[in-house]
Amino acid sequence: AQSVTQLGSHVSVSEGALVLLRCNYSSSVPPYLFWYVQYPNQGLQLLLKYTTGATLVKGINGFEAEFKKSETSFHLTKPSAHMSDAAEYFCAVSDNTGGFKTIFGAGTRLFVKA
Amino acid sequence: EAQVTQNPRYLITVTGKKLTVTCSQNMNHEYMSWYRQDPGLGLRQIYYSMNVEVTDKGDVPEGYKVSRKEKRNFPLILESPSPNQTSLYFCASSLGLYSGNTIYFGEGSWLTVV
Repeated sequence: AQSVTQLGSHVSVSEGALVLLRCNYSSSVPPYLFWYVQYPNQGLQLLLKYTTGATLVKGINGFEAEFKKSETSFHLTKPSAHMSDAAEYFCAVSDNTGGFKTIFGAGTRLFVKA
Repeated sequence: EAQVTQNPRYLITVTGKKLTVTCSQNMNHEYMSWYRQDPGLGLRQIYYSMNVEVTDKGDVPEGYKVSRKEKRNFPLILESPSPNQTSLYFCASSLGLYSGNTIYFGEGSWLTVV
């Protein structure tokens, strides 16, 4: 069965600092991995995803994530945080078993300090 | 503009009073689903539909009903709401039966049951 663990329900960084949000997954078959972002009072929107091919995936707003099979991880990074990055971030995993279901992590709220 | 539209966005209701949350998508997507979001639990799937007249239970279906009579619409029905159904609800859609597809979310419906 698939599962997703996001380490840290809250992360706080200073503006201009590195953003690192951690995600580990469990899947019995090659996974598809996603990061979604939720801004206040909005629905989730796709930040980036890994399906096949290059393991370093670039997304919108300068974010990127690297699929590391040996570590079963898909951590999200951004070199320099901006105030507008303050939001909740969800890691998700899906595969071609179990009705094509996508499993979401519990979310990590990112705070950016001026 | 491609979007998932759900209504109402905010609702306070009383225990036992039937309510329906509507959901419509304009992207001709086959796959639609409903999630609830609760603090610390992330998103949990309530019901999903792979196509017209095809629906199935997600992880937390108790107390909910759905129908898919048209491809674009997927209403969520609470026949007899209870306070434990107070939550933020999201309707979502994606192109089809491929686990790498992006999920598109509505803006959410805040439901309070008193």
